[in-house]
Amino acid sequence: NAGVTQTPKFRVLKTGQSMTLLCAQDMNHEYMYWYRQDPGMGLRLIHYSVGEGTTAKGEVPDGYNVSRLKKQNFLLGLESAAPSQTSVYFCASILRRGHYEQYFGPGTRLTVT
Amino acid sequence: LAKTTQPISMDSYEGQEVNITCSHNNIATNDYITWYQQFPSQGPRFIIQGYKTKVTNEVASLFIPADRKSSTLSLPRVSLSDTAVYYCLVGDVSGTYKYIFGTGTRLKVLA
Repeated sequence: NAGVTQTPKFRVLKTGQSMTLLCAQDMNHEYMYWYRQDPGMGLRLIHYSVGEGTTAKGEVPDGYNVSRLKKQNFLLGLESAAPSQTSVYFCASILRRGHYEQYFGPGTRLTVT
Repeated sequence: LAKTTQPISMDSYEGQEVNITCSHNNIATNDYITWYQQFPSQGPRFIIQGYKTKVTNEVASLFIPADRKSSTLSLPRVSLSDTAVYYCLVGDVSGTYKYIFGTGTRLKVLA
C-alpha cells in the first residue's frame, strides 16, 4: 500500500491564481482531513470529511474549498491564492468510526508570491 | 473541543527518560487522548493513544490520572533520533472526528 499520497509536493503560485491539491489514500479509510502548518507552528485543521460526498469546516476554512467525490480522494482548492496561504499542507485519514490513528501524507509546500 | 496545553520546549540527554505533560482541563467523557511525533519536513506520526490509567507500547508509555485533566507521555532512554515535536490531541472517536492540534512540545535530545 502507498498509504496517503499528496500531489504536488511543491508549488509556487502568484497572488490570485487558483490550484487544487490532491490527497489520495489506498487504505479504504472513511475519514479524511486537510491541515496547514505555518513555520514553527502546530497544524491547523482546514476542512475534513467523514465519508464520500460529505465535507465539513475546520478551524481555518476561509479561502479554501474541498470535495470528496470518491472515497479515496480528498481535494483542496484555492480559488484565489493569497500570500497568507503560504504554508505546508498535510492530508490525513482515519480508518472509520471508533478508530483514532491518523495517517498523514508527506505534505505539499505551497508558496504564494 | 478540549483545548490542550503543553510546554513549548524541552531539552534532554541521550539515555534519559523524558516525560512530556499535556493539560486538557475540559476533556469530555467520550474523548480519547492521542500523541503524535513530527520530524522536520514530515507529517506527524502516531505514537500512542489512551483513555485512562496507563498504556504502554514498544516506543512509549502514556499515563492518565483518574480525573483525566492531564496526561503524560513517557519516552524511555531517548536517543538523538527522538528529537522532534510532540503533539497531544484530545478527540471523540465516536463523534465529530474534528481533531485540533496544539502548538506541541519541541524536544531536543543532546549527546
